[in-house]
Amino acid sequence: DQQVKQNSPSLSVQEGRISILNCDYTNSMFDYFLWYKKYPAEGPTFLISISSIKDKNEDGRFTVFLNKSAKHLSLHIVPSQPGDSAVYFCAARKTSYDKVIFGPGTSLSVIP
Amino acid sequence: DAGVTQSPTHLIKTRGQQVTLRCSPKSGHDTVSWYQQALGQGPQFIFQYYEEEERQRGNFPDRFSGHQFPNYSSELNVNALLLGDSALYLCASSMLAGGTDTQYFGPGTRLTVL
Repeated sequence: DQQVKQNSPSLSVQEGRISILNCDYTNSMFDYFLWYKKYPAEGPTFLISISSIKDKNEDGRFTVFLNKSAKHLSLHIVPSQPGDSAVYFCAARKTSYDKVIFGPGTSLSVIP
Repeated sequence: DAGVTQSPTHLIKTRGQQVTLRCSPKSGHDTVSWYQQALGQGPQFIFQYYEEEERQRGNFPDRFSGHQFPNYSSELNVNALLLGDSALYLCASSMLAGGTDTQYFGPGTRLTVL
């Protein structure tokens, strides 16, 4: 019973273009959403978050969009750079202090 | 400023044995969470420790136990190891009093059970 889903195991994008990573969730109690990036042999690194009272949060090249009615969020990376190549995890929690529930991840490859 | 550190990096055990993994949180952090990441999956929450008490727990059996010390470092113990316990074990630290509980992860301990 996966509460956070990332249906694309992998994504390949040309350098300079936009990368869009998608995430769906099933639990309507989730109120806080996060994206983490993971390089091989390292732990996940926090990237950006959004609470359910917003529909967009932006941080430099990274923007997260939240559609609560569709239980869907997406991470946009513009422009994509080769250093962005990593596994991206979508995650959710019921409050900003609750346990974090992770999706299975999407492996992004940015081709120079 | 040292980040989250974990030891050992790799570990090989046989079924039925017991294992202890260690985690030192980022400086200034008071909360430690443990996750299990199986191959091809996202991290799964095991439990969280704050003020030396287990604050939250995920869907893991009692074979998984933990401890937090007064210096905020933590241990994860797994008894009666099964083949299915083979995974990357991640520790994350955070500051519960900080307003939002942003978690910083260590590099993990790779456990192989034979």
